[in-house]
Amino acid sequence: DTGVSQDPRHKITKRGQNVTFRCDPISEHNRLYWYRQTLGQGPEFLTYFQNEAQLEKSRLLSDRFSAERPKGSFSTLEIQRTEQGDSAMYLCASSLVLDVNTGELFFGEGSRLTVL
Amino acid sequence: GQNIDQPTEMTATEGAIVQINCTYQTSGFNGLFWYQQHAGEAPTFLSYNVLDGLEEKGRFSSFLSRSKGYSYLLLKELQMKDSASYLCAVLDSNYQLIWGAGTKLIIKP
Repeated sequence: DTGVSQDPRHKITKRGQNVTFRCDPISEHNRLYWYRQTLGQGPEFLTYFQNEAQLEKSRLLSDRFSAERPKGSFSTLEIQRTEQGDSAMYLCASSLVLDVNTGELFFGEGSRLTVL
Repeated sequence: GQNIDQPTEMTATEGAIVQINCTYQTSGFNGLFWYQQHAGEAPTFLSYNVLDGLEEKGRFSSFLSRSKGYSYLLLKELQMKDSASYLCAVLDSNYQLIWGAGTKLIIKP
């Protein structure tokens, strides 16, 4: 296993279009997180899963955002009716719940979204 | 509210030592982390402190004082490749990571 992978790495879309990002975590990791990061800022929490259950969703996340992890393995993050303010790097991270007290997250390379 | 403060940018010279400070106010505390992030790349884990004191790992050390809500990351023998952003993050009472905005470290020859 080579780590957390995200696809696509870059996405340019027009305002109003829908986009979907995929994340494949490290195989034995049962926690999966989505973050959003803009230039000069730290990662902003969006949501996380433990296995297939979505345990928490940020209040900052509008109804246009939805995430799934149907089989407790890969996850998708969909943004509907994109807006220019959605332009950011979308980071996926995974961890093993037994390591929750260490909090070590393993990040993917991110999916950079540009909304024109 | 929850808040993590760290300097926006620091500059240091190759071969020197630099200390990046982080202060935090969070709802609960279950550990503090430092991550390194090169431009355009994902963050990578550097260190974890949950008890007061200094944790040393090669050229990097991290210090924690829970009573003061304070941590620092110490980088020794700076190399050009250390130019990156350094993110401080605290695991709160809900085991959620609260992130600082990061400190951009510029290394000059």
